[in-house]
Amino acid sequence: EAEVAQSPRYKITEKSQAVAFWCDPISGHATLYWYRQILGQGPELLVQFQDESVVDDSQLPKDRFSAERLKGVDSTLKIQPAELGDSAMYLCASRLNRDRVADTQYFGPGTRLTVL
Amino acid sequence: GESVGLHLPTLSVQEGDNSIINCAYSNSASDYFIWYKQESGKGPQFIIDIRSNMDKRQGQRVTVLLNKTVKHLSLQIAATQPGDSAVYFCAENIEGYQKVTFGTGTKLQVIP
Repeated sequence: EAEVAQSPRYKITEKSQAVAFWCDPISGHATLYWYRQILGQGPELLVQFQDESVVDDSQLPKDRFSAERLKGVDSTLKIQPAELGDSAMYLCASRLNRDRVADTQYFGPGTRLTVL
Repeated sequence: GESVGLHLPTLSVQEGDNSIINCAYSNSASDYFIWYKQESGKGPQFIIDIRSNMDKRQGQRVTVLLNKTVKHLSLQIAATQPGDSAVYFCAENIEGYQKVTFGTGTKLQVIP
């Protein structure tokens, strides 16, 4: 069964350092999402791509976070500089269809970030 | 949305009993709802979904009920098993928007 891949699974960094997370969605999925999940809460959307274009980054802290999906396939989320409050699980999800929300989002295993 | 921080609502159920997990939503424009299961250290896993033109949908051992009048969603799990232990999230989509918003999770503990 096809899965969303993410790496690394765990990342420990010191504040003010730069970190990057990678996501490879299910093959053929046009829509890709990055979420942040704080322990005990539901995932919160950071950025949504359709193919290579950002369609929603309203909740992305753009002073320190950036995301790209240059060829419309895999994606990278970067934080520079990392702050203590960035400690969380970063989840990537993908969805097949561009236009239909009523279509399952498949999540990857996430990257657990700890900022010291 | 409302946050409960580290104190997730917890439902403890005896193995073999039925479980009912509830979710309230606030936006009457929401037209599509999904239940996800999240095990410790893993990403959310799709369980079942329902559109707003339905009030009930059944899957394998799971049933979702939607009451639009009181903006309430429930997930029923029949014959709960130890493998059902996880955090369950409801998510909603507002008509016209291509994203879903997750609600507060409920932790399900199955007692053997």
